[in-house]
Amino acid sequence: EAQVTQNPRYLITVTGKKLTVTCSQNMNHEYMSWYRQDPGLGLRQIYYSMNVEVTDKGDVPEGYKVSRKEKRNFPLILESPSPNQTSLYFCASSFDGGNEQFFGPGTRLTVL
Amino acid sequence: QKEVEQNSGPLSVPEGAIASLNCTYSDRGSQSFFWYRQYSGKSPELIMFIYSNGDKEDGRFTAQLNKASQYVSLLIRDSQPSDSATYLCAVKRANNLFFGTGTRLTVIP
Repeated sequence: EAQVTQNPRYLITVTGKKLTVTCSQNMNHEYMSWYRQDPGLGLRQIYYSMNVEVTDKGDVPEGYKVSRKEKRNFPLILESPSPNQTSLYFCASSFDGGNEQFFGPGTRLTVL
Repeated sequence: QKEVEQNSGPLSVPEGAIASLNCTYSDRGSQSFFWYRQYSGKSPELIMFIYSNGDKEDGRFTAQLNKASQYVSLLIRDSQPSDSATYLCAVKRANNLFFGTGTRLTVIP
């Protein structure tokens, strides 16, 4: 089944404790992206990647890191999480970034 | 000024009616326009995309684009209770995708 998977789905952590949210797609898509969704602010793009080893900032990259060492994986790293990073995070992928993006199921992160 | 603006609603329509969802965008360099549907607690899924001025129809859904007015809309004909969801307008510029905050639609049986 073609899909985007994210892990974990739910995470509660404390300020400053480094964490990684994994994202993997099995559709051989070149483009992958991370978003956060907050009430009243909608979905905002954090980082995107056009291909392996090619990443770029989206709208709200501060406090996040990403890497794209393999085509299928695009982890999101929070080196020192803060409470303002409490949010619902979505990973998405598409063939070339032009058309349909397929979203993962989401990761609900709470930073205390 | 926000990149993409939508009326947050909620918008309520009776079953069988036409639901009209609207979106405006700020940057004339925007290239592609998308409508996503998001059910509560779920991830967004693409309904339609449109690149050129005019209308694009797919089943009960029609997307309309007016680049001069920087306006995108989605019409849902013969609305069904299963259409009740939040509808997200998204605009692509370069490699970035900008989303509106979404309009919540409720279709009343």
